[in-house]
Amino acid sequence: EVQLVETGGGLVQPGRSLKLSCVASGFTFSSYWMYWIRQAPGKGLEWVSSINTDGGSTYYPDSVKGRFTISRDNAENTVYLQMNSLRSEDTATYYCAKGTVDWGQGVMVTVSS
Amino acid sequence: DIRMTQSPASLSASLGETVTIECLASEDIYSNLAWYQQKPGKSPQLLIYDATSLADGVPSRFSGSRSGTQYSLKISRPQVDDSGIYYCLQSYSTPWTFGGGTKLELK
Repeated sequence: EVQLVETGGGLVQPGRSLKLSCVASGFTFSSYWMYWIRQAPGKGLEWVSSINTDGGSTYYPDSVKGRFTISRDNAENTVYLQMNSLRSEDTATYYCAKGTVDWGQGVMVTVSS
Repeated sequence: DIRMTQSPASLSASLGETVTIECLASEDIYSNLAWYQQKPGKSPQLLIYDATSLADGVPSRFSGSRSGTQYSLKISRPQVDDSGIYYCLQSYSTPWTFGGGTKLELK
């Protein structure tokens, strides 16, 4: 059974940083692209980042480009999202995903002073 | 970026009345389309992938179809438990893009 468990969320002040982790199990982690998707409170879904199998290629929307960095550790079956220069509009639940099929339960990030 | 136009934004239907939700892609996405159901406080749950394939454990009353760049989710004889918000997602090209969501209320 595929499991994706996100951690690292919480309350952070604007301009500060936060790093999310997602530990994967139940599949061969190193064979899959991984993704982060977010959902602001009461809003729709937004793709945040993608990373290929060896971590050599990463992708971001303009809304987070230059501030967020996705990375992975295939030995630890973990994907990360380093979030810098956080803004109030980054407040959301962040989901880790293995393709379109398997998503984690999400972790809440609140950016507020 | 590929735009996914989802309709309707909200829908109220009677139990047993077939419901159809649509997503129109701004260009061909070659059936790289998934449908999700989300209930309050929960993560989105996959219903359909590759436009027409039913995800594991999803009741057969859910079905997906494609006509050109128009994708549809049909719920036949919906149950009360099918209330929620439904989203489509195209994964053909980066950035992935979602439809705006359809809030389904069953009465």
